Amino acid sequence: SQQGEEDPQALSIQEGENATMNCSYKTSINNLQWYRQNSGRGLVHLILIRSNEREKHSGRLRVTLDTSKKSSSLLITASRAADTASYFCATVRSNDYKLSFGAGTTVTVRA
Amino acid sequence: EPEVTQTPSHQVTQMGQEVILRCVPISNHLYFYWYRQILGQKVEFLVSFYNNEISEKSEIFDDQFSVERPDGSNFTLKIRSTKLEDSAMYFCASRLQGPVQYFGPGTRLTVT
Repeated sequence: SQQGEEDPQALSIQEGENATMNCSYKTSINNLQWYRQNSGRGLVHLILIRSNEREKHSGRLRVTLDTSKKSSSLLITASRAADTASYFCATVRSNDYKLSFGAGTTVTVRA
Repeated sequence: EPEVTQTPSHQVTQMGQEVILRCVPISNHLYFYWYRQILGQKVEFLVSFYNNEISEKSEIFDDQFSVERPDGSNFTLKIRSTKLEDSAMYFCASRLQGPVQYFGPGTRLTVT
């Protein structure tokens, strides 16, 4: 299966702390993306990392990719209450760019 | 900022009825997708569509499902005879040419 699997399933942190979540996948990929979903809403693209990249930053987000271990991590620094959401990794294998999602990590940031 | 829209936000239907879920992708986008998310489960790919034809479909997308782009703006998903297990959130997404997909807010389908 192409799908990513995230851990932990749920994470509760204090505002200002960092949140780290991991994603593992099973086959070769073209790129890996992270999406956020607020409760009952659509998915919002956060960041993309290509298979030949090892690390990317965007604002308070840092993504790493280890293709030898078939894993990725998403770090959110200095978390805010507004970061409370579910976070999904999604792998892309083909030029069609169909997304294969993991089960997600639910992050709760306590004020 | 342009966005993908979906209607209705919530659809309740009886088992065996046909439903049509509507999406208006971002206007200059070329590639269109449908995904679904059963409550508490992963988001699953259903179908991709480009140049007025299906590019790829998953095993979920059986003969009960069809997609259409009837005009230059709408992209629809039809379920011919709904089953209880079709109850889910259905997301439409579109992209221009790069790898990032833009998702709509979803339609919650409840089959009773």
